[in-house]
Amino acid sequence: QKEVEQNSGPLSVPEGAIASLNCTYSDRGSQSFFWYRQYSGKSPELIMSIYSNGDKEDGRFTAQLNKASQYVSLLIRDSQPSDSATYLCAAFTGGFKTIFGAGTRLFVKA
Amino acid sequence: KAGVTQTPRYLIKTRGQQVTLSCSPISGHRSVSWYQQTPGQGLQFLFEYFSETQRNKGNFPGRFSGRQFSNSRSEMNVSTLELGDSALYLCASGPGTPNTEAFFGQGTRLTVV
Repeated sequence: QKEVEQNSGPLSVPEGAIASLNCTYSDRGSQSFFWYRQYSGKSPELIMSIYSNGDKEDGRFTAQLNKASQYVSLLIRDSQPSDSATYLCAAFTGGFKTIFGAGTRLFVKA
Repeated sequence: KAGVTQTPRYLIKTRGQQVTLSCSPISGHRSVSWYQQTPGQGLQFLFEYFSETQRNKGNFPGRFSGRQFSNSRSEMNVSTLELGDSALYLCASGPGTPNTEAFFGQGTRLTVV
């Protein structure tokens, strides 16, 4: 069983819409969760971190965490073509190891 | 504040050779993690170092090794290169304590021919 699972996509949304990206994790000891954005040919860029249950908002991005369901999500409001990238969900485990999902490719159509 | 610096950016090596990659973390960061990224496997954890100590290691053969120096700079070494080692190798630096964020360097693209 993969430790962090994401739908590989591609997820296609029109410009201005809300993009919803989802992630589940298997290690209940995971303490911290992160969303990274990776453009083709570039390295991952941290866009959100979340540590406790509930929602965390930063600009157009909202991260949601539900530890009971072992579920993390990222909402991108007012999606722009520049948001087209692969989004990686990551979980920091108790073993000082951050595990990444395979990523969801997002396409925002102009 | 300077970001994470990885050198070299690109490498071409022949099967059987060895290679050393370098990572300089953000100033003040004591943790360096290394990852291998391939199209088929995604980001795979190699190892994590904190204050010169390896705290965790991923499921890679012993040909992959690393170390961290007292100034927090880290190197990883791959011996007896195989074609399957062709990948983007990324390092990420962070404070190294729980609930803290890690930031990636630009990566080293290794091609084994």
